[in-house]
Amino acid sequence: GAGVSQSPSNKVTEKGKDVELRCDPISGHTALYWYRQRLGQGLEFLIYFQGNSAPDKSGLPSDRFSAERTGESVSTLTIQRTQQEDSAVYLCASSPWDLYGYTFGSGTRLTVV
Amino acid sequence: RKEVEQDPGPFNVPEGATVAFNCTYSNSASQSFFWYRQDCRKEPKLLMSVYSSGNEDGRFTAQLNRASQYISLLIRDSKLSDSATYLCVVNAYTNAGKSTFGDGTTLTVKP
Repeated sequence: GAGVSQSPSNKVTEKGKDVELRCDPISGHTALYWYRQRLGQGLEFLIYFQGNSAPDKSGLPSDRFSAERTGESVSTLTIQRTQQEDSAVYLCASSPWDLYGYTFGSGTRLTVV
Repeated sequence: RKEVEQDPGPFNVPEGATVAFNCTYSNSASQSFFWYRQDCRKEPKLLMSVYSSGNEDGRFTAQLNRASQYISLLIRDSKLSDSATYLCVVNAYTNAGKSTFGDGTTLTVKP
């Protein structure tokens, strides 16, 4: 596609429910990244994929968070048993290769009530 | 100490002013450098790459000083539309292929 597509754009969920966030990167981009941004704060790295392998999962905040990627395309970020502190904007980005500039999607705004 | 540090501001300047932001980084193995712009409640967008020789894009000039480990962004003739948060980004192979983002510097250009 023309850009990085994320869905849903907004998600309100009840505490304790599971949520799944989706990212469609730019076609041909091998590197895919997930970041989290809480209101008024900086970007927090979550996970990085090179192809469908994840060489760096160091940013996942707890074992409630997991992510997978199918080939060099769609990625899903799953949050189990959501907590109120999970409320944030979840941003996905892709790039043609490592160390290159990113293109971000418009994010999924997650609100846990 | 954070890997990438920026003065959070805010910088409040009148239209037409020249404003400069600095960013320092701690990883001497860093290899590529960028400035991103983030508007309120929007995703970051790549503004420009930063090269050792310095580079210019219209009213924007970016420079890199490897010896002192800092990068800068200069905006000339500020416009109201330049109001945003500017993020400094540093990449290094030693960081497993991912970028390190600064927390950003907020600029408000006033009429």
